[in-house]
Formats: sequence, C-alpha cells, structure tokens
Amino acid sequence: AQSVSQHNHHVILSEAASLELGCNYSYGGTVNLFWYVQYPGQHLQLLLKYFSGDPLVKGIKGFEAEFIKSKFSFNLRKPSVQWSDTAEYFCAVIGPQGNYGGSQGNLIFGKGTKLSVKP
Amino acid sequence: EAQVTQNPRYLITVTGKKLTVTCSQNMNHEYMSWYRQDPGLGLRQIYYSMNVEVTDKGDVPEGYKVSRKEKRNFPLILESPSPNQTSLYFCASSDPGRLAVATQYFGPGTRLTVL
Repeated sequence: AQSVSQHNHHVILSEAASLELGCNYSYGGTVNLFWYVQYPGQHLQLLLKYFSGDPLVKGIKGFEAEFIKSKFSFNLRKPSVQWSDTAEYFCAVIGPQGNYGGSQGNLIFGKGTKLSVKP
Repeated sequence: EAQVTQNPRYLITVTGKKLTVTCSQNMNHEYMSWYRQDPGLGLRQIYYSMNVEVTDKGDVPEGYKVSRKEKRNFPLILESPSPNQTSLYFCASSDPGRLAVATQYFGPGTRLTVL
C-alpha cells in the first residue's frame, strides 16, 4: 500500500531556529504533494503544494518545501521559526486520478509532526 | 465566504445511539470526503463522494455510512457508535475536474466521544 512517512513525531525548537520536517512517500509514479498545518484546536490549512515544475515550492508564512524525486521526499523548511508556528504539520500525497489507492482524490496523510516553538 | 461547515462541533454520546454529523460546503465542489484523525495515526479517509448519489469507501469505512443527496451536503452517519469511533472527524471538499491537482478544503472538525 502507498504510504507517507513523517519521521519526526515531535520537534522542539527555540524561536529563530531553522526548521526542517521530513516527509517521504512510497508511490513511484507522478504524485502531487501537500503540506497542511493544524494549529491547536483548529482545522487543517494548506501550507503549500507541489504539482509540477520548480521543485522548490514556496508557501504561506515563510514556509517552503523541496520535492526531490530521486529520494521520494518533500521536506518542509523554514529558516527562522516563531512561537506562532507551534502546530502539527501533516504531509500528504495524492496520485493521478483514478490510480491511487483505488479511491480518486484520496489524500494519503502522514502521521503528523508536532512542532513546539519555545519563546 | 467559501467554507466547509460541520455540526455539531462536539458530541458526547453512548454506545449504540445512532448519530449523524452534518457537513456542508458552499463552493459547488463535486468531491467531498470524510476523515478521522487519531493521535499517532494522522488522518485516514472514511468515505468519499465524487458527486451526487456517488459514494465509495475510503480506508476505514467500517461502522460508518454516508449519503450524498445534494451537492452541498455530505452527512456522516454512525448507526451504532462504539467507543473505538471516538475521534476527531473532518469533512473536506475539493474542486471538480482535475482531482489529482485539487486542493481539499477542510471543515473545522467534530470531536466525538462515545462512552
């Protein structure tokens, strides 16, 4: 079965530290990749997405992610985190329509990484 | 304002008592979906719907039902809830057409506790 792996369960950083959250997926074909963020008590919001083109994708709030096809990775980065970045971050992947997990449009999520930023 | 709404936001119930969680979107999206979120497991898809009267199972459909009689609504039905269905539930919708590149919009979530 296709899967998405987020290797860090909980990351604790001080403000101004740099952030990199790992995401690896197992599907070998064309994929579309997403990072979602869930602030405490809130619903998921899209941070950024990759469909094609430039593998370095810039999202909201200073986040970016790099798609490395050879490594099946889509790591999320931010050069300097803020206390307000404290949240849970989910990587997700969706394959070509009709060809992914048997359910069209099915986002496959990683298990999430909790980020705690100390002020 | 474009949004996905869910009701109720919080629900505590007892085993076996049928319940329905409603989901509505105002973006004319054809695709709608239900996920459950559990600690350490991320989000897992329960059911999805490609359009009115078209629904299909996701990864964890056991114990759930859905219906799609109107484009905007996609209720989640638990005929006989059990404690292992205690979870945080999210409804999502996305644009028609090129699903593979569609962004899903999520509702605010429904926290369900089954005693």
